[in-house]
Amino acid sequence: GQQLNQSPQSMFIQEGEDVSMNCTSSSIFNTWLWYKQDPGEGPVLLIALYKAGELTSNGRLTAQFGITRKDSFLNISASIPSDVGIYFCAGQKGHEAESNFGNEKLTFGTGTRLTIIP
Amino acid sequence: DSGVTQTPKHLITATGQRVTLRCSPRSGDLSVYWYQQSLDQGLQFLIQYYNGEERAKGNILERFSAQQFPDLHSELNLSSLELGDSALYFCASSVSSTLGETQYFGPGTRLLVL
Repeated sequence: GQQLNQSPQSMFIQEGEDVSMNCTSSSIFNTWLWYKQDPGEGPVLLIALYKAGELTSNGRLTAQFGITRKDSFLNISASIPSDVGIYFCAGQKGHEAESNFGNEKLTFGTGTRLTIIP
Repeated sequence: DSGVTQTPKHLITATGQRVTLRCSPRSGDLSVYWYQQSLDQGLQFLIQYYNGEERAKGNILERFSAQQFPDLHSELNLSSLELGDSALYFCASSVSSTLGETQYFGPGTRLLVL
């Protein structure tokens, strides 16, 4: 099945550092979502982006919807231990696509595993 | 807590067996999605139901089927299980706004086929 290209695959940082990750696609999406998953748990929604060029923040997290609609970026500032986990981007074609049916499904990125070094 | 519930949390079974995974969406959400997460394939969309009707299919095997009931809960049935079906299975329900749609995930069912 299709997966979006997400990078980096893993990150090892020190507490307090800023983090950047991105997601790219060969096709256009009309919605971009960022999720965080802890081991053995379901993905938790962090940020939703609905408009090309949109920049949205949620606390220390900031995400951007790329102008081309083929990419998205997530930044985490001043990382803390609870930021550890796997971050996934997800794209959704949405209702602007030719058919309204089947376009709500999410296509996920390959994930970025964030580890904080003591 | 996303408001989406899934049971059971863990399931261990043998090859050739059949299992049923259950999902209750958030109150008021009409759409339910099923996803499979495996180490080699990542998170993959399986199937979507909307208000009791199948709406979209993804990479779902013929051995797998799903349904959504009038109370909107959904079940994913996996039959003739193989070792490779071992994975995490998530359901999600969605809420639509004027901006777009957002999916919220349940805690998942971890299936181990021995």
